Formats: sequence, structure tokens, C-alpha cells
Amino acid sequence: IAGITQAPTSQILAAGRRMTLRCTQDMRHNAMYWYRQDLGLGLRLIHYSNTAGTTGKGEVPDGYSVSRANTDDFPLTLASAVPSQTSVYFCASSAASVNEQFFGPGTRLTVL
Amino acid sequence: GQNIDQPTEMTATEGAIVQINCTYQTSGFNGLFWYQQHAGEAPTFLSYNVLDGLEEKGRFSSFLSRSKGYSYLLLKELQMKDSASYLCAVRDSNYQLIWGAGTKLIIKP
Repeated sequence: IAGITQAPTSQILAAGRRMTLRCTQDMRHNAMYWYRQDLGLGLRLIHYSNTAGTTGKGEVPDGYSVSRANTDDFPLTLASAVPSQTSVYFCASSAASVNEQFFGPGTRLTVL
Repeated sequence: GQNIDQPTEMTATEGAIVQINCTYQTSGFNGLFWYQQHAGEAPTFLSYNVLDGLEEKGRFSSFLSRSKGYSYLLLKELQMKDSASYLCAVRDSNYQLIWGAGTKLIIKP
């Protein structure tokens, strides 16, 4: 693989279900991010990780959790999905927090 | 609060020049980024400004005035493939990116 991959590409989920969005990068970047993108709004940061083993909350963290067990993987979990979490989710990475971010192809999630 | 303002939509003609403006009010400033996003795709990095002035990269240039909280992206010799959304983002005092909603650019033949 080259760059950042996300899985699944799209998903329809019943409200109340648990869901994990996967993100893997092979660029050995230290920093990784999860954003959601909704029509008419800018990208909003959900959670971030500046280095393996550490995570932080972004602008809209409620209802989401992340882990960073190693450099390459940064999964995002919705513990109990709600319709307001319907969105396109982008994972991104950067060499360090001061560098430009590279984005994965996104996951389109619909919660019914 | 933190705020990034961009026009929602702009239309331009193939071969022409277009300027997309971005104004910002953020808690601290550690650089401004421009990204391009084609419909249904991921954002891709275009340019970065941290000092005042113009940065030129081929057909694209980006300008920054920190005292005015203002930036613009200039696209020259427009091509149909330039039809996309252009996202302005400012890195704040916590080194997090604050994003504008994006400007959808429509190129007409």
C-alpha cells in the first residue's frame, strides 16, 4: 500500500450499533487525525494523535473514541451510533503536527 | 471563537484567472494552508504560507497578510480539471487546523 487507506469505503449502520472505522498509513508519519466532513461545514477534527501511544480530543469528540497502539494504525470507534453521526469521515496523517496533512480516501457512513 | 470565511461558490471561464479569498480569526496563527478537493475525493495539499507575501507554485499562487487576517489563492490559465472545492485552513496556537467550509469553483468552457 502507498499512503493512507481507510475501510470500509461506505457503510449503512443501524442506530445503536457499534462501528469501527479503520485507518492505516505506510509513510511512518508520527501524527494522525480523524475528521468528519458535512455539507456546508468545514472539516471538523474529532480526535488526533501526535505520536504512537498518545491521543487527544479535537473539536467534536463526543460519541467517538480512538486508540494508537502503533505508528501505522489509528482506528475510530463509534460506541453507539446515532443519526447525527452520518457523515464522511477522513483520516489524515502528517510527519509531525507542523507539517502538511495527507488524507485517506474517506468513509461514507450513514446511520439510520 | 475561531472563524474561517470563504465564498461558497465561484464561477470562472477556462483559460482565465480566478482569485479565491479567505479571511480568518483564530486563537493564534502558525500558518495557513490551501487544499483542493474534487467531488467525492479526499483533500490534497496545494500550498502553505506562514510569512506575509506571495508563494508561487506553477499555475497556483497563494498570498498571506497576517496583519489583515487574509489570504487568497490565485489560479491562472484555468483548466476544466480545476473544477473543485478549495479549502482554506489555519493552524492555531495548539497546532490544530481550523478549516473553512470551502469554495466550490465551477469552470465553464
